[in-house]
Amino acid sequence: SQTIHQWPATLVQPVGSPLSLECTVEGTSNPNLYWYRQAAGRGLQLLFYSVGIGQISSEVPQNLSASRPQDRQFILSSKKLLLSDSGFYLCAWSVRHNRDTEAFFGQGTRLTVV
Amino acid sequence: AQSVAQPEDQVNVAEGNPLTVKCTYSVSGNPYLFWYVQYPNRGLQFLLKYITGDNLVKGSYGFEAEFNKSQTSFHLKKPSALVSDSALYFCAVRGGDNFNKFYFGSGTKLNVKP
Repeated sequence: SQTIHQWPATLVQPVGSPLSLECTVEGTSNPNLYWYRQAAGRGLQLLFYSVGIGQISSEVPQNLSASRPQDRQFILSSKKLLLSDSGFYLCAWSVRHNRDTEAFFGQGTRLTVV
Repeated sequence: AQSVAQPEDQVNVAEGNPLTVKCTYSVSGNPYLFWYVQYPNRGLQFLLKYITGDNLVKGSYGFEAEFNKSQTSFHLKKPSALVSDSALYFCAVRGGDNFNKFYFGSGTKLNVKP
């Protein structure tokens, strides 16, 4: 069966520090991968998605970047965190080229920038 | 452009009563619709989806949803609410200009009182 791992679960970082959040998927190949941010426990904002290694689509211009160095690894990064980067970050995957399938989410990372 | 609207920030219902969480969508072409549930500080869990066929879709934990093409709605329902159903519910649509992307509503907080 497929599983998605996201870590760390919680993170407290000072303003101006770098960020690296990692997400890996097991049990599937060639997935679509997604990074979402959820602010104040409400709506989901799509930050990035990827349909293949090295292929990143950015949805919102911001202080963050994403990379996909391996087929089942998706990394969210920042060189210098801002207070506004605080939030709940969710990684997700879906089956590529299959519009019938749902997205599967990781357990999330709670980032607090202080 | 594709979008999902959840007109109610919060829904309150007594345990044992039926519940409805509303969702309307806007998408070009055929819609692929999904419902998710989120418990505090956790990722989203898939409940059910509509792809094609019967307008009444049954999902996990006794939930069902009714697809109405003329009203562009996909409301989530349950005949008898449980206190444990209290959570944040998200409607999502996939499709239109880019099937790689999932568009989420703003979420509806369901409170089930004993």
